[in-house]
Amino acid sequence: SYELTQPPSMSVSPGQTASITCSGDKLGDKYASWYQQKPGQSPVLVIYLASKRPSGIPERFSGSNSGNTATLTISGTQAMDEADYYCQAWDSSTAVFGGGTKLTVL
Amino acid sequence: EVQLVESGGAVVQPGGSLRLSCAASGFTFDDHPMHWVRQAPGKGLEWVSVITWDGGTTYYADSVKGRFTISRDNNKNSLYLQMNSLRTEDTALYYCAKDRAKFGELLSFDYWGQGTLVTVSS
Repeated sequence: SYELTQPPSMSVSPGQTASITCSGDKLGDKYASWYQQKPGQSPVLVIYLASKRPSGIPERFSGSNSGNTATLTISGTQAMDEADYYCQAWDSSTAVFGGGTKLTVL
Repeated sequence: EVQLVESGGAVVQPGGSLRLSCAASGFTFDDHPMHWVRQAPGKGLEWVSVITWDGGTTYYADSVKGRFTISRDNNKNSLYLQMNSLRTEDTALYYCAKDRAKFGELLSFDYWGQGTLVTVSS
């Protein structure tokens, strides 16, 4: 079965850039999406089609996808961006999520 | 405003059955595929199943195939998940989610409900 691999955790200082990676076989050939989930809340879509932002998502969130890696970049990270982030892609009509990355802003 | 409200979660014994419901509003329900996604306590997201806009096609995760059945009633703007032969590992918060795409495409989950908790325990 298809697998997506994310680092379990990472930390970033306020105002700096956070880059969260998601790896999978030929992931660049698929449409990657990213979700933000804060404690006790439902996930929120922040990037779809690898690099598109839904309305209401701040411009500091961006995405890229090439080769075997998709990347979610948060520029000028703010304290409110502290959350779990999940990548997701489709493989043979099955949705697959990465294991999630806990982003700490400190 | 898009709203997805799940219901039907409960405590059930292993081997038991449960039916989850999701009431949708604020968008053209029968334009979009709909999904169930679950999250075990303290764990990550796991996709469970999807149904196309007309109910004509369904897909399932291997972990639930043959035990769970997804369905929808477009006249009632409702999504369902029939869960049979439940196992302790099915314990999770079950989310209903709308697909951003329309009709036959599958893309991403742009709106989520608050979830309904299913606990499988003896």
